[in-house]
Amino acid sequence: GIQVEQSPPDLILQEGANSTLRCNFSDSVNNLQWFHQNPWGQLINLFYIPSGTKQNGRLSATTVATERYSLLYISSSQTTDSGVYFCAAPITSGTYKYIFGTGTRLKVLA
Amino acid sequence: DGGITQSPKYLFRKEGQNVTLSCEQNLNHDAMYWYRQDPGQGLRLIYYSQIVNDFQKGDIAEGYSVSREKKESFPLTVTSAQKNPTAFYLCASSTPARGDTIYFGEGSWLTVV
Repeated sequence: GIQVEQSPPDLILQEGANSTLRCNFSDSVNNLQWFHQNPWGQLINLFYIPSGTKQNGRLSATTVATERYSLLYISSSQTTDSGVYFCAAPITSGTYKYIFGTGTRLKVLA
Repeated sequence: DGGITQSPKYLFRKEGQNVTLSCEQNLNHDAMYWYRQDPGQGLRLIYYSQIVNDFQKGDIAEGYSVSREKKESFPLTVTSAQKNPTAFYLCASSTPARGDTIYFGEGSWLTVV
């Protein structure tokens, strides 16, 4: 089956720093999404980004579907950005079964 | 407001007892899911349902059961056959056919003692 790897697994930043998180897929995927899980466990949708680039405030994401990867950029990080970031996609187009990456655990220090 | 409601948020049970976690959505989504998350780990799919009265096993279905009698509801029962039930359980819904994103409830923490 499709494998999803995220890197780095752990990241510690000083407040105000920028970072790039990566999501690699072993096969082609559609409907790739990024999520942030806050310290209380809530999973928040960040981006639905099957291809191209999107921006939302300090966050932006780029997916290069032909090369099977996606990047999440966090600029001017804040302590509230701490948590775990997951990427996910349906195993095959139109399927209801999503596969999640291993996650990147981010800690932003004040 | 539209969303996914899980209850209870915290649940303690004695070993050997069945427990049922509730999940209700008012997003009019066709598909619903249950995921399990252990501390410091990723999400693992337990069951998913594409339509009412139909559901499929995920990667770790043993020891769990579900029902989908209504579009809005997808309860999960953790049975006594589940060997390590203590975990964080997340319910989600989506309508992949229209390319929608998958949305999550706030989760339920189950502790079995």
